[in-house]
Amino acid sequence: AQRVTQPEKLLSVFKGAPVELKCNYSYSGSPELFWYVQYSRQRLQLLLRHISRESIKGFTADLNKGETSFHLKKPFAQEEDSAMYYCALRKDGANNDMRFGAGTRLTVKP
Amino acid sequence: GAVVSQHPSWVICKSGTSVKIECRSLDFQATTMFWYRQFPKQSLMLMATSNEGSKATYEQGVEKDKFLINHASLTLSTLTVTSAHPEDSSFYICSAIGLWDEQFFGPGTRLTVL
Repeated sequence: AQRVTQPEKLLSVFKGAPVELKCNYSYSGSPELFWYVQYSRQRLQLLLRHISRESIKGFTADLNKGETSFHLKKPFAQEEDSAMYYCALRKDGANNDMRFGAGTRLTVKP
Repeated sequence: GAVVSQHPSWVICKSGTSVKIECRSLDFQATTMFWYRQFPKQSLMLMATSNEGSKATYEQGVEKDKFLINHASLTLSTLTVTSAHPEDSSFYICSAIGLWDEQFFGPGTRLTVL
């Protein structure tokens, strides 16, 4: 069965510092990996997905199949990045469910 | 982008009553919707997969007779918590898969059972 691990429940950095939110997964097939963000009192929204290889709000994430990781990175954190971040995995196939990590709460201090 | 709505956004009910939560895809059709549950300070947990026109597929440990799911149209799925008890109090979130295979999440429904 697929599993997603986010080892850090809480992460705190200062504004302007680099930030990396870790995500490791286990799945024997070809997974799709996603990062979702949930700002305070707002709905969950997609931040990025590995197949699009784009940068959203300065965040990037590279799928490393050798290390089975999909860490989320941003070189210079901003206060508005403070939120809950969820890494998620979906098995190959459009209608397969998503498995979420436990989430990491990022706090960017001024 | 595509929008998924949920109604109600919050509900308080007495123990033993049933509560229905609606999930709608507002500007797209979704043959598949998902229902998640989120306990305080915990991650989302998938409860069931709702497929239009067929029975829902429940995750292990989720009681299908307690959490009734109906996906009667391509834009509406409902989750009914039957005979709710305080331990059912939680945040329920639905999602729907859109045209480009992206998953859109509803704003969630907070259920409090007294």
